[in-house]
Amino acid sequence: KNEVEQSPQNLTAQEGEFITINCSYSVGISALHWLQQHPGGGIVSLFMLSSGKKKHGRLIATINIQEKHSSLHITASHPRDSAVYICAVRIQGAQKLVFGQGTRLTINP
Amino acid sequence: EPEVTQTPSHQVTQMGQEVILRCVPISNHLYFYWYRQILGQKVEFLVSFYNNEISEKSEIFDDQFSVERPDGSNFTLKIRSTKLEDSAMYFCASSERGITEAFFGQGTRLTVV
Repeated sequence: KNEVEQSPQNLTAQEGEFITINCSYSVGISALHWLQQHPGGGIVSLFMLSSGKKKHGRLIATINIQEKHSSLHITASHPRDSAVYICAVRIQGAQKLVFGQGTRLTINP
Repeated sequence: EPEVTQTPSHQVTQMGQEVILRCVPISNHLYFYWYRQILGQKVEFLVSFYNNEISEKSEIFDDQFSVERPDGSNFTLKIRSTKLEDSAMYFCASSERGITEAFFGQGTRLTVV
C-alpha cells in the first residue's frame, strides 16, 4: 500500500473553475509539501505545511493532521495551471520526502 | 531568487559507463538530497547528505551509487556502472535545515543505452 495517495489521478477542467486535489497519507509526518511539475520535468515547491492552511495567490493548501489529509485548491483556474501536482510528506524522524503519484491537471481555455 | 542548478540537463551514456551528475545547491543550505523519477512513475528518494556524510539512504542507493561534496558549492551523484534501468530523471534538492522546505533543481535526464 502506498504511504501517500492522491486523487484524482487526472483532472480536466474549464478555465475559471475551482480545482481541488486531495492527498491522504498513512504515516506520521512532520510536514507535507505540495509541488508542481511541468512537462519539461522540473519540480517547483508550492507549499510546505505542518498544520492549518496556507495561501499564495490563487493557490490554497490545507492540512488536517488528525485525518491525515491535505487538499490543494486552485481558484479561477487558468490554462497555465496545467501541470502535474504532487503531494509529498516528510516522515517523522526522517529527512527524506515520500511522494504521491501526482495528479495531472489540464485546464482548457 | 536563489535556485538549485543541475548540470547537464540531459545525458546519454552507454551501459556500463560511469556518469557524474552535478548540482549546485542554494548557498546557505546545509542539507542536500538526490531523488529520481523513472518515466511514468513517482519520484523516489535516493540519499540525503549533511555535514559531509550520508545521513539517510534508500535501498535503491546501492554500491553503484556514491555522493560527494568535492568543494564548497558542488554536490555530485556518481553512478559507477550504469544499467538500462538507471534511465530516469534525477533531481537534486537542498534545504536550509532537515526540517525546512526543500528546493528542487530542474533535473538531469539520464538515458542509458
